[in-house]
Amino acid sequence: DARVTQTPRHKVTEMGQEVTMRCQPILGHNTVFWYRQTMMQGLELLAYFRNRAPLDDSGMPKDRFSAEMPDATLATLKIQPSEPRDSAVYFCASGLSGTGIYSNQPQHFGDGTRLSIL
Amino acid sequence: GQQLNQSPQSMFIQEGEDVSMNCTSSSIFNTWLWYKQDPGEGPVLLIALYKAGELTSNGRLTAQFGITRKDSFLNISASIPSDVGIYFCAGRSNDYKLSFGAGTTVTVRA
Repeated sequence: DARVTQTPRHKVTEMGQEVTMRCQPILGHNTVFWYRQTMMQGLELLAYFRNRAPLDDSGMPKDRFSAEMPDATLATLKIQPSEPRDSAVYFCASGLSGTGIYSNQPQHFGDGTRLSIL
Repeated sequence: GQQLNQSPQSMFIQEGEDVSMNCTSSSIFNTWLWYKQDPGEGPVLLIALYKAGELTSNGRLTAQFGITRKDSFLNISASIPSDVGIYFCAGRSNDYKLSFGAGTTVTVRA
């Protein structure tokens, strides 16, 4: 089965360091999402791309977070500088959206990057 | 996205029992999705519902899209040990963004 691939799976670093998380969406999918999961907040949407264009990043702290899609096979989420409160599991999901509700396929998730900022 | 009201928050099961959980929202959705998450992994899609009133099965799983479009339930019949995990409901509107429930944690009763 096709899967969303995320790297790295685990990252431990000190506060102030730059963190880059990568995602390879399922081939052919045109939408990519970044989520953050914590015990307190659950799954939160950080950013959302369709056809590589950012559509919504209102859930993302703008001063330190940035999300890009350099090409259709790669999405990145960067944190600079990182802070201990950024510790969480970050998930990427991809899907295929189009016209009409029946052409909108479900989002599929990667296995996440578990980030710990010391 | 908004948080959906998912209940119960947790449940203990014995092998062979039927399990039910549900989600409600103050907003209507055009799609309901149910995911399961195991420790250290990402949510895995179980069932997708696209039409109000739709009842869909996937093996021992059955889910329904509420007629009001504001709720959905998931049933697991004859539970087995590998059913333990966290189950999430998600509602999707026309903007394709998902709103998630807080999850139902299913564990095996000792």
